[in-house]
Order: sequence, then C-alpha cells, then structure tokens
Amino acid sequence: EPEVTQTPSHQVTQMGQEVILRCVPISNHLYFYWYRQILGQKVEFLVSFYNNEISEKSEIFDDQFSVERPDGSNFTLKIRSTKLEDSAMYFCASSLLAGGPVETQYFGPGTRLLVL
Amino acid sequence: DAKTTQPPSMDCAEGRAANLPCNHSTISGNEYVYWYRQIHSQGPQYIIHGLKNNETNEMASLIITEDRKSSTLILPHATLRDTAVYYCIVFAGNNRKLIWGLGTSLAVNP
Repeated sequence: EPEVTQTPSHQVTQMGQEVILRCVPISNHLYFYWYRQILGQKVEFLVSFYNNEISEKSEIFDDQFSVERPDGSNFTLKIRSTKLEDSAMYFCASSLLAGGPVETQYFGPGTRLLVL
Repeated sequence: DAKTTQPPSMDCAEGRAANLPCNHSTISGNEYVYWYRQIHSQGPQYIIHGLKNNETNEMASLIITEDRKSSTLILPHATLRDTAVYYCIVFAGNNRKLIWGLGTSLAVNP
C-alpha cells in the first residue's frame, strides 16, 4: 500500500541552526501539507502546497519557514533559524487531487525535531 | 478551533466493540466527518469518513445521525493495538487544512 515517508525520523539541532525535513508523498498525489505537534498538544496545520506554490499557510508559518518541491518526488520543510519552541513532531501529508468534493489526507510517520 | 467535541478518554475490553462518540452540532452541509487515530505520537492514521450515510470499511464503521449533529465511530472487535487517540474532524474539501482537537484517548484493556 502506498505511503508517505519522512526523513529523518529524529533530528537534534542547536538553536539558530537551519534544518530541512524531508517527505516523499504518495506518488500520484498532488497536494502536500505540513503539520506539527508540540508534545502533549494538538496537531496544528502549518502549510498546504499545490502546483509548486503555497495554497494556504497558518500564523505559525512565518518567514523562518519555507517549503519546496525540489524534484518530482520530494517535498521539504526548511526552518531557517531554529528556536527552542520549534521542538515538535512534524508530519507531512498528501492528498490526491481528483476533483471530487473532498480528498483524504494521508500522513507520514513524522520527524521528531529537538532544538537545544 | 475544532468544531467537534469528544470525551477525553474511554476504556474498552479487548474483543468488545468500541463506540466513540463525537458531537459536531455546527457542521455545515458541505462538511464531511473524518476520523483519524494516532498511536503513540506516530503519524495520524486515516480511518474512515462520511457525509450523510453510514459507512463501513475494513477498520471501522461510522454512524452519522440524521441531523448530522453527531456521529459514532465503531471498532467492532477492539484489540490491544487499537489503543490510540481517536480524532473526529469535520472537513470541507475546499478548505484543505484539518483542524484538530484533543481527541479521545481509547484504552483497550485485556
């Protein structure tokens, strides 16, 4: 069964450093998402991406965040200058743009980011 | 904010049916009811979704009331591996972000 994959599974970084989280969405999916979950808190939407541009972003997704689809398979989230409060699980998701009324989002296993 | 209300926790005996309720009294006509679960902070796993009619798949059944103000997710024969946090989300396809609540923490006991 096709699945979303994410690398690395864990990332430890120093405050102020840049990190890139990588995702491989399901191959025929065209809509991509990033969510995050701070330990013990709700899952929060960060950004959605379609046709090589951001469709929607939340207040959390400020100038230190960026997303990119560098090739035909990868989808990345870059955090330019990490802060302590960026420590969280980051989940990538993808959905198939089929023109129907609703499209299910399928999630990857997540990357646990720890900023020291 | 999430448009759903779920009990914070529930228990179920292994082998019995687990019935997880969800209230969504302000649901709009174009919004679907989605259920996901999350095991040990792993990635959310899609379970099932529906609009008006009851739905069943290999994982679960979804019962939606006629007025669509509430629904119940049914795991017909719960196993220990079904221990997870279950999230009920109302979602319209034209608004592509999922808005998450705190869900129901289901403990399946031997």
